[in-house]
Amino acid sequence: GQNIDQPTEMTATEGAIVQINCTYQTSGFNGLFWYQQHAGEAPTFLSYNVLDGLEEKGRFSSFLSRSKGYSYLLLKELQMKDSASYLCAVVDSNYQLIWGAGTKLIIKP
Amino acid sequence: DGGITQSPKYLFRKEGQNVTLSCEQNLNHDAMYWYRQDPGQGLRLIYYSQIVNDFQKGDIAEGYSVSREKKESFPLTVTSAQKNPTAFYLCATGQGDTGELFFGEGSRLTVL
Repeated sequence: GQNIDQPTEMTATEGAIVQINCTYQTSGFNGLFWYQQHAGEAPTFLSYNVLDGLEEKGRFSSFLSRSKGYSYLLLKELQMKDSASYLCAVVDSNYQLIWGAGTKLIIKP
Repeated sequence: DGGITQSPKYLFRKEGQNVTLSCEQNLNHDAMYWYRQDPGQGLRLIYYSQIVNDFQKGDIAEGYSVSREKKESFPLTVTSAQKNPTAFYLCATGQGDTGELFFGEGSRLTVL
C-alpha cells in the first residue's frame, strides 16, 4: 500500500527554526508537495520538489531525498502566523496525489 | 478575482437528506477534484474530473455523486447512502505539469 508519515504535532518557539519530516512509500514518484493549512481554511501551496536537494524560498526551505523516500520542510525565524498544519503530498505513478495526515505546528511566544 | 468558490461554507443536514455542495472556478483549469478531510487524517479523494462530461471515482466515492456539465462547475452531492457524512469538504482545481492543486475555502457539513 501507499503510505506517507508525518509527526502529528510539533511545538516551537517564536524566532526559532523547526524541521518537519515526511517519509513516504508510494507506487512510483513524480514529485512531492508541501502545503500549509490554517485551521478551517484551504491548503495553500508552499513548495514542490521533484529532484534531490534543497529548494529555498524565503523563510521556508524544502529538501528531498528520493533514494530514502524522505523530505523535510524547514521553517526559519518562526512567526506566530506560522501556527498551522503542514501537509506533505506525493505524486504517484498515476499522477495522483497521496496525502499525509498533516503536522500541526504550534508556535509559542 | 480568479479563484475557486465553494458554497455553502457551513451546512447542516438531517439524516436521510441529500445535499449538494457547489464548486465554481474561473481559473480555466481542466481538472477538478473533491476531497474529504477528517481530523487526524490526510485528504481523501472522492471524485475527480479531467475534462467536461467525464469524471472518475476516487478512493471513497461511495455515497457521493458528481457532475461536470461545464468546465467551470463541479458540484458534489452527498447522498443519504453516505454513512458518515460529517466532514470538511474541499474542492480543488489543477493545471500544469507538476500536479499542483488550488483549493477552495471548503464546506463544512454537519449531519444532525
